[in-house]
Amino acid sequence: AQSVAQPEDQVNVAEGNPLTVKCTYSVSGNPYLFWYVQYPNRGLQFLLKYITGDNLVKGSYGFEAEFNKSQTSFHLKKPSALVSDSALYFCAVRAPGGATNKLIFGTGTLLAVQP
Amino acid sequence: DSGVTQTPKHLITATGQRVTLRCSPRSGDLSVYWYQQSLDQGLQFLIQYYNGEERAKGNILERFSAQQFPDLHSELNLSSLELGDSALYFCASSVGGAGGFSYEQYFGPGTRLTVT
Repeated sequence: AQSVAQPEDQVNVAEGNPLTVKCTYSVSGNPYLFWYVQYPNRGLQFLLKYITGDNLVKGSYGFEAEFNKSQTSFHLKKPSALVSDSALYFCAVRAPGGATNKLIFGTGTLLAVQP
Repeated sequence: DSGVTQTPKHLITATGQRVTLRCSPRSGDLSVYWYQQSLDQGLQFLIQYYNGEERAKGNILERFSAQQFPDLHSELNLSSLELGDSALYFCASSVGGAGGFSYEQYFGPGTRLTVT
């Protein structure tokens, strides 16, 4: 069965510094991977996805993620953090093929950016 | 704004009661998904419908049921409610439903259910 792990409950970073939010996955075959962000009292917003091709994926709001097949990781990154990036970030995986597009989410990582 | 709408935003009800949550997908999206978000369980997939037909089931209790109507809106029915059912319920939609393609899902703002 596919699964996603986000090993850090919280990541603290100073504004202007680079940030990384970690995600590792377990899935049979080539995974489809996603990052979503949730602001307080809001729904989840799609940031980016990896399906195939270039291992570095660029997404919304200056975020990018690097797919690493050998380490089964899909870490979210941003070169320079903003206070407004503070939110809850979810990594999700979907196994290719099959009859459903359902997503399996990680437990979430709270990103706190200090001014 | 994702284009997915959910009503109501908040719902407070008593144990043993029955409630219905409603979702309208983005225009053109054929798939609707329901997820439950709680502090102890995280984000859990409940059920998916594609063009009116059930496509997949996740950790959905027998007391819960859903359907997708011909106009593609969906309803999630929760009955015999228990305190532990208190959670945020999200609806999401996507263009497709499965196959070799992976379609990103767009989430509604959620319905916060409180069972007292």
